[in-house]
Amino acid sequence: KAGVTQTPRYLIKTRGQQVTLSCSPISGHRSVSWYQQTPGQGLQFLFEYFSETQRNKGNFPGRFSGRQFSNSRSEMNVSTLELGDSALYLCASSPMTSGSTDTQYFGPGTRLTVL
Amino acid sequence: QKEVEQNSGPLSVPEGAIASLNCTYSDRGSQSFFWYRQYSGKSPELIMFIYSNGDKEDGRFTAQLNKASQYVSLLIRDSQPSDSATYLCAASGTGGFKTIFGAGTRLFVKA
Repeated sequence: KAGVTQTPRYLIKTRGQQVTLSCSPISGHRSVSWYQQTPGQGLQFLFEYFSETQRNKGNFPGRFSGRQFSNSRSEMNVSTLELGDSALYLCASSPMTSGSTDTQYFGPGTRLTVL
Repeated sequence: QKEVEQNSGPLSVPEGAIASLNCTYSDRGSQSFFWYRQYSGKSPELIMFIYSNGDKEDGRFTAQLNKASQYVSLLIRDSQPSDSATYLCAASGTGGFKTIFGAGTRLFVKA
């Protein structure tokens, strides 16, 4: 099976712009979670989607949003970019065969640099 | 605030030794626990998961869980220089659909 894929892998933007990142989960996986990773803060949970519904959200401002499509692919959007948004954005997919939390498998990440 | 705590390290061990990585969690409702390895510039890679109290072994890796003490550990036997990485501990529970990660422990295995 192909792993989790994320596009683009690298992105450079300037302050005030917006960005959309894409994630394709492992085939058959229905849950997609997004994380922001920075050297100072570690892995911070952004949100989780299952069957096109956001089930949980981390403590990030409303500039960060996401969605999931019927094929389980997910996108996250960051509007009005700030310098502090520079980070590695990771997507993780889970089979989520039951209602409980399940093992997550990470994609390679998108490294976003905001100038 | 539900947290997962890890010693940031670095933890340095000689090649062939046992590396012991520890993790504590604050949410007693946590039911699933994971260890990930992350090489510099790469994404986290799942090593093991554990749900039940006790030990779980997979090759050179052993995960240990003590729910009463809210403590999870990872032992790496016969450590190799290729094991040098950051190890992330994570905890999750039903209902919240959210996995909390620790900040990670950096491990160096000296040849």
